[in-house]
Amino acid sequence: QLQLQESGPGLVKPSETLSLTCSVSGDSINSITYYWAWIRQPPGKGLEWIGTIYYSGSTYYNPSLKSRVTVSVDTAKNQFSLKLTSVTAADTAMYYCARHDYGGPRGFDPWGQGTLVTVSS
Amino acid sequence: DIQMTQSPSSLSASIGDRVTITCRASQSIDNYLNWYQQKPGKAPNLLIYAASSLQSGVPSRFTGSGSGADFTLIISSLQPEDFATYYCQQTYSTPRTFGQGTKVEIK
Repeated sequence: QLQLQESGPGLVKPSETLSLTCSVSGDSINSITYYWAWIRQPPGKGLEWIGTIYYSGSTYYNPSLKSRVTVSVDTAKNQFSLKLTSVTAADTAMYYCARHDYGGPRGFDPWGQGTLVTVSS
Repeated sequence: DIQMTQSPSSLSASIGDRVTITCRASQSIDNYLNWYQQKPGKAPNLLIYAASSLQSGVPSRFTGSGSGADFTLIISSLQPEDFATYYCQQTYSTPRTFGQGTKVEIK
């Protein structure tokens, strides 16, 4: 059974870089079919897609965040990561990783449990 | 970006009620539309993909329909475990975008 688990600091200072890792178990991240995504949800608000990566390293980003986002993959560790630079309070959110059926119809499934990141000094 | 607009933003319903949630895209997205359920404190869970296909393990009381720009999620007989927030999401183009959510509460 595929499982995803986010990890990383829960508190980041303004202007610094948010770094999170998603560990994938139960399947290989070297999937030909699937991609891997980050999505976030500010407290009490809706969902925002951040970016997606393929095992080969090809990436797709939300233009609203593209200048500050880097998603990378480590196939040896079966992990992928998110870096978001120059964070502000507006980046405070629950951050989820998910498998992404980028070329197909299923969207994001399954999701990790999420990790709350607060931006505060 | 394709804007997704759900209505209503919230609704109150009783056990056994038929519940209808709508989602409108700012342009035609064919049938590239998914529905997710999110319970408090939990990650979203895929319910329906390609507008009308039920994800494995999802009860048959959930039905999706629509194509083009207008879509509907129907819960035929609301159960206690269905009280949650529901999101639509388009898979037609990048960036992938979600509706603002519809919160289904107990009447």
